[in-house]
Formats: sequence, C-alpha cells, structure tokens
Amino acid sequence: DVKVTQSSRYLVKRTGEKVFLECVQDMDHENMFWYRQDPGLGLRLIYFSYDVKMKEKGDIPEGYSVSREKKERFSLILESASTNQTSMYLCASSLGDFNTEAFFGQGTRLTVV
Amino acid sequence: AQSVTQLDSHVSVSEGTPVLLRCNYSSSYSPSLFWYVQHPNKGLQLLLKYTSAATLVKGINGFEAEFKKSETSFHLTKPSAHMSDAAEYFCVVKNSGYALNFGKGTSLLVTP
Repeated sequence: DVKVTQSSRYLVKRTGEKVFLECVQDMDHENMFWYRQDPGLGLRLIYFSYDVKMKEKGDIPEGYSVSREKKERFSLILESASTNQTSMYLCASSLGDFNTEAFFGQGTRLTVV
Repeated sequence: AQSVTQLDSHVSVSEGTPVLLRCNYSSSYSPSLFWYVQHPNKGLQLLLKYTSAATLVKGINGFEAEFKKSETSFHLTKPSAHMSDAAEYFCVVKNSGYALNFGKGTSLLVTP
C-alpha cells in the first residue's frame, strides 16, 4: 500500500514563527501536493510539485512556500506563521498519469497562537 | 477551469435507507472524477473513480456513482445506509494534469 507520512499530527506554534511541515511518500510518485482543510471550505490547494525542485502555486499560496529536494519528500514552509493559518494541513501524492488518484497523509493540525 | 459543486452540505438518512449525495462538475476536458470519504479524525480514503472506461462506477463499501455527461453530474449512491457510513464525503475533479479540485464536502448523518 502507498504510504504518505506527515511528520506531526498536532503542532502548536506562535505567531511569527517559521514553521516546517514535512511529508514523505514511499511509492516513487512524481506528484506531491499540500492542501489545507477548513470547515465548510473543503480542501484547497496550496502548492504542488510534479518533479524534484519543480513547484507550482495552487489556489492559496500566499504566506507559504515549499521545497522538494528529493522525490519522496515535500515540505511546506510557513515563513511567518499567523493565526489565520490555523488549519488542518494535508499532504498527498500521485503518479503522473491523468487518471490516477491521490493518496493522502493523516494530516497535521496546526494551531497558531 | 475545472470545478465541482456539491449540492448539499448536510444529508441525513435513516439506517437501511438509500443514500444520495449530489455532485455537479464543470470541465473543459473529458474529466477524471473521484469520490473520497473522510471519517472523523481519519485520513481521506478513495471511494471510487471515473476515468471514462464505464459510466457506472462501483466503489468500496457498496457505493457507486454514475457519470452523466449531459447533466454534468457524478452523484454518489448506496442502496442501504449503515451507521458506519457517517462521514464527510468529497466530490473531486482532476484538472488538466496534476492536482485534484475538491468540492466543499457533504456531511452524511445516519440515524438509527
């Protein structure tokens, strides 16, 4: 089975801190994604990567950056955390084919105080 | 641009009765469509996917969905609800190559 592992289930950070969320997948998938999930809004795409060192902005990239130095690892960075970034963050990966689904990690619930 | 609209934010059914969760999509391409389920405090799990092979798609746990191009719909159904079906359900369309675009979700409540 595909496994997508997020480094933390719960995080509490202070406003202004630099925050790193880490994600690792074990199935050699080309594509990796970061979403945030908020009640009533579904999942919104922050960034995605279709290859090592390649990235594309999603729908809500402001306040975030990403890094993909190795194929299996995709990091989300909050440069200066703010309270409106309190949310559930979900990492996903997929093959490069159009018809393939994405596999999701368990999520990181981030609280910024 | 591709997008999905889930027509109901909440659906309540009695155990043993049919389930219908509605989804309409817009797409400039022949789309790939998915339904995911999220149980409380659990990760997202794929229920089923449509990839143009057959318009009626069967998924896990007795769920199925029918792709209707003329109606741009991809509704999720199950003949008989079980208490364990209570969860959040997401209809998803895949855009031109990479990311999944999610609907806002439908919360399914199953009452005894």
